[in-house]
Amino acid sequence: EPEVTQTPSHQVTQMGQEVILRCVPISNHLYFYWYRQILGQKVEFLVSFYNNEISEKSEIFDDQFSVERPDGSNFTLKIRSTKLEDSAMYFCALGGYNEQFFGPGTRLTVL
Amino acid sequence: DQQVKQNSPSLSVQEGRISILNCDYTNSMFDYFLWYKKYPAEGPTFLISISSIKDKNEDGRFTVFLNKSAKHLSLHIVPSQPGDSAVYFCAASAIGNTPLVFGKGTRLSVIA
Repeated sequence: EPEVTQTPSHQVTQMGQEVILRCVPISNHLYFYWYRQILGQKVEFLVSFYNNEISEKSEIFDDQFSVERPDGSNFTLKIRSTKLEDSAMYFCALGGYNEQFFGPGTRLTVL
Repeated sequence: DQQVKQNSPSLSVQEGRISILNCDYTNSMFDYFLWYKKYPAEGPTFLISISSIKDKNEDGRFTVFLNKSAKHLSLHIVPSQPGDSAVYFCAASAIGNTPLVFGKGTRLSVIA
């Protein structure tokens, strides 16, 4: 099973601040995904990234969000100006439509 | 819109008995279904999946059944163990590396 690590494990920030969440896949994959889970709700898709480009994005993934693969291995999700409702667990995943492996997540708390 | 539905928010089962977790879907384009187990403050852990061309897939204590005409699938855990206590998510996808669509999850409690 491919491994994915995420940093930080917990991020606390003030509303309006920028945050960068990082995902480090241990193995090489073409497809990467970001999902989030607001407390008590279902896991929701944010964006998929294929071959260094955004492949698909959801309605949640508005202009406040961006993704990058700055050095060819790490995979980042940036939220430019955080809102209270951005508080959630953010998961990076890799794989394909028939099997996706998730990282341990970053808990983002916006105060 | 809930394309993947898990109508039971919780389920309680005695250790050693069978746990049956249900999932319904509405989108006919889904052709792959996955089950994940999740503990609090951890990422979802992949358990088992099934392609729409099959009606059953088994892996150890876990079996997934798919009824395509009813747009229904279920996860059977036999025998249930206390360590199985977690939230179980059903997810679905379509061909073409489309993202997973998750249900709201069912919290399973296995009582010793």
